[in-house]
Amino acid sequence: DTGVSQNPRHKITKRGQNVTFRCDPISEHNRLYWYRQTLGQGPEFLTYFQNEAQLEKSRLLSDRFSAERPKGSFSTLEIQRTEQGDSAMYLCASSLAGLAGVEQFFGPGTRLTVL
Amino acid sequence: GENVEQHPSTLSVQEGDSAVIKCTYSDSASNYFPWYKQELGKGPQLIIDIRSNVGEKKDQRIAVTLNKTAKHFSLHITETQPEDSAVYFCAARTNNAGNMLTFGGGTRLMVKP
Repeated sequence: DTGVSQNPRHKITKRGQNVTFRCDPISEHNRLYWYRQTLGQGPEFLTYFQNEAQLEKSRLLSDRFSAERPKGSFSTLEIQRTEQGDSAMYLCASSLAGLAGVEQFFGPGTRLTVL
Repeated sequence: GENVEQHPSTLSVQEGDSAVIKCTYSDSASNYFPWYKQELGKGPQLIIDIRSNVGEKKDQRIAVTLNKTAKHFSLHITETQPEDSAVYFCAARTNNAGNMLTFGGGTRLMVKP
């Protein structure tokens, strides 16, 4: 399978705990995006990387959220001191850079439930 | 920033009928408009897209039209089948270097056999 993969698929945690999610993009894609999707809504942009550089962050990305892409391949999204409002599906997408690579391909997502 | 509105929120059609979903966007500089299909428990799947230099694009039973003047675009599905049942999202590319997408609220399409 050469698509975008995400792990874990589901995560249940207690309020106040830290969680980390991983995304592996399509191998030749140098752009990687994180989105959040709450129930009944469309995905909302959080942040994106071009190679290892984090180039943009949404206002939705509070100080408790941090994302990394250390070698320009996989990425991690960490949420510290989780709150019930963090419960959502966290989606990762990847694309090529440039005009020819605007198509974004999504992974299956990580569903986070904060109790 | 960009704002995308999508209608209707739910759509029920009989198998074989056509389905039309409409979206409007606010940023006249947006230049790329993809449509995604999302099935329960899965990530969004790109089904068709259109760039601002094209007015219409078709792929088998699916077509998308774009009216840049009115800032709206539509998804047309003909000869609907039960497996077309899913949530469909339109999106617009914010005109910056990052290609971030702004999504509509989604349309739940139900195709009755």
